[in-house]
Amino acid sequence: SQQGEEDPQALSIQEGENATMNCSYKTSINNLQWYRQNSGRGLVHLILIRSNEREKHSGRLRVTLDTSKKSSSLLITASRAADTASYFCATGDKLIFGTGTRLQVFP
Amino acid sequence: GAVVSQHPSRVICKSGTSVKIECRSLDFQATTMFWYRQFPKQSLMLMATSNEGSKATYEQGVEKDKFLINHASLTLSTLTVTSAHPEDSSFYICSALMTSPGTDTQYFGPGTRLTVL
Repeated sequence: SQQGEEDPQALSIQEGENATMNCSYKTSINNLQWYRQNSGRGLVHLILIRSNEREKHSGRLRVTLDTSKKSSSLLITASRAADTASYFCATGDKLIFGTGTRLQVFP
Repeated sequence: GAVVSQHPSRVICKSGTSVKIECRSLDFQATTMFWYRQFPKQSLMLMATSNEGSKATYEQGVEKDKFLINHASLTLSTLTVTSAHPEDSSFYICSALMTSPGTDTQYFGPGTRLTVL
């Protein structure tokens, strides 16, 4: 069974708005990673947050991690149409992926 | 970032034939590679862990005789779908593990879309 679940499953927003995606996982972790996948393509690694970190930034991305709640969030600020993709969280050395959030950003 | 390639990117085959998919790490050596499959609008499911010079480790429910994995060098792993059937049609993605002190990162290939007629 999959380790994580993303919420929401789908998200549609306008350009310029912020997009927030949440991920919950089941077991203890050393780190959690977020990936992006354009339709029919491979995955691009976005950011890794370690279990002893609470928040991490990378450009327009902000990731938080709450190990007590076994949850993480990915915030994309000032979204662009090019951000349209599916976003997955993944945990573990073998990378067990969550269910993913399909983000659509309308121009 | 590190580059991982897959070949072919798309393949269509007849039922009963075998298909080989290659995964290469182009600018780093990878002792460990992973194979995933992904159905439309679903997440990636780990199929197996490929280890250079040793047998692959398959996840529960994955038939090792049907999905043959060979990791013959530090830059190449192959997945062969034997006696393919329409239900094997899927998007197959590999990743290569780059190890560095404190952090191991998986770099993904662009995927191979397999269609079995």
